Amino acid sequence: QQQVKQSPQSLIVQKGGISIINCAYENTAFDYFPWYQQFPGKGPALLIAIRPDVSEKKEGRFTISFNKSAKQFSLHIMDSQPGDSATYFCAAGLSYNTDKLIFGTGTRLQVFP
Amino acid sequence: NAGVTQTPKFRILKIGQSMTLQCTQDMNHNYMYWYRQDPGMGLKLIYYSVGAGITDKGEVPNGYNVSRSTTEDFPLRLELAAPSQTSVYFCASAWEPQHFGDGTRLSIL
Repeated sequence: QQQVKQSPQSLIVQKGGISIINCAYENTAFDYFPWYQQFPGKGPALLIAIRPDVSEKKEGRFTISFNKSAKQFSLHIMDSQPGDSATYFCAAGLSYNTDKLIFGTGTRLQVFP
Repeated sequence: NAGVTQTPKFRILKIGQSMTLQCTQDMNHNYMYWYRQDPGMGLKLIYYSVGAGITDKGEVPNGYNVSRSTTEDFPLRLELAAPSQTSVYFCASAWEPQHFGDGTRLSIL
């Protein structure tokens, strides 16, 4: 019930292409869905987050799509750049229970010129 | 503004040794967390704290201890190091969003 399943494990995209990473959750009580970006040797940093009251959130080239009925959410990176090469983690949490941020297993994205 | 600072960055321990991983934040956040990151496993919560003097177990607390005597500091203690504790450890503060340090890479041989 507390798992967040993330796919793919790794992704190779050409510069200018679209990168898509998918996550699925089980607990319907989750109400906070952030994506974190991690560069080698650094800690994760928040990229973008969404709540279930909207189906899509866009910030620059990054978009979260959220499907509440399917219990799935995804990250789309438009016009992918070599600087986007990093590991991406989705997560799901409960606003009223702040120990319950459950992370996916991560996707290593490589963008080649 | 330093954010979340973790020390040391790297450490090699022998089996059975003990050590403390340090974490300090200068943002006056009440919530603090310790995670471990293993390849292909994402981040697993070890312990967390909602304020000075209050700590609680996360998903994988066995073999670790924490204390929170001040808002700024949240050290993680390994008492009897085991090879299974070889990992990268991250400290984080706040909730939305969580602010992470750059980690401590720990190897136990």
